[in-house]
Amino acid sequence: GAVVSQHPSWVICKSGTSVKIECRSLDFQATTMFWYRQFPKQSLMLMATSNEGSKATYEQGVEKDKFLINHASLTLSTLTVTSAHPEDSSFYICSASTAKIIGYGYTFGSGTRLTVV
Amino acid sequence: KQEVTQIPAALSVPEGENLVLNCSFTDSAIYNLQWFRQDPGKGLTSLLLIQSSQREQTSGRLNASLDKSSGRSTLYIAASQPGDSATYLCAVSGNYGQNFVFGPGTRLSVLP
Repeated sequence: GAVVSQHPSWVICKSGTSVKIECRSLDFQATTMFWYRQFPKQSLMLMATSNEGSKATYEQGVEKDKFLINHASLTLSTLTVTSAHPEDSSFYICSASTAKIIGYGYTFGSGTRLTVV
Repeated sequence: KQEVTQIPAALSVPEGENLVLNCSFTDSAIYNLQWFRQDPGKGLTSLLLIQSSQREQTSGRLNASLDKSSGRSTLYIAASQPGDSATYLCAVSGNYGQNFVFGPGTRLSVLP
């Protein structure tokens, strides 16, 4: 149990286009979803926190108009990279906390590798 | 602001060796600590989760300890195997429902 499904697992897009990444909690309600990104050879950095039904909270240095986060339901959160540029190429991963994991642990999606050409 | 560091950055050992990975965090007021494994180009696999009130957790050949007061955790891997080769990430959460702060990881190579 406590599975987060993330799609797509990889995507290549042209510079200037937009890409949408979806994260679905399959067997629990994710009131809060966290979005991270990981540049090559670096660790994961929190981008934003999204709560169902409200606006996402972005970390310093993350452009909210570029990285649009929607969390309209308790089982779906989306991250849209708008007008993507090569420097947006990264590994994006979502996670949710749930009481279904003992100790209120976190479950992560499988990640999306975005390459902007 | 919480900061997490991991030592060593990279480690290469022959198969069969026991090894220890270290994690340090600057703010001891954590809710839990989790160790993850990340294979190249892949997502995260949760290995062990330690609550702030616990001192260690074990799963198979893995044992993780937590010393919250000193801001340290170690991951012990017994009888290492080539399949253990991956990057190991340590992450802490400040409170229930809060995000994780990740360390930079230790890149482990186990040579056959």
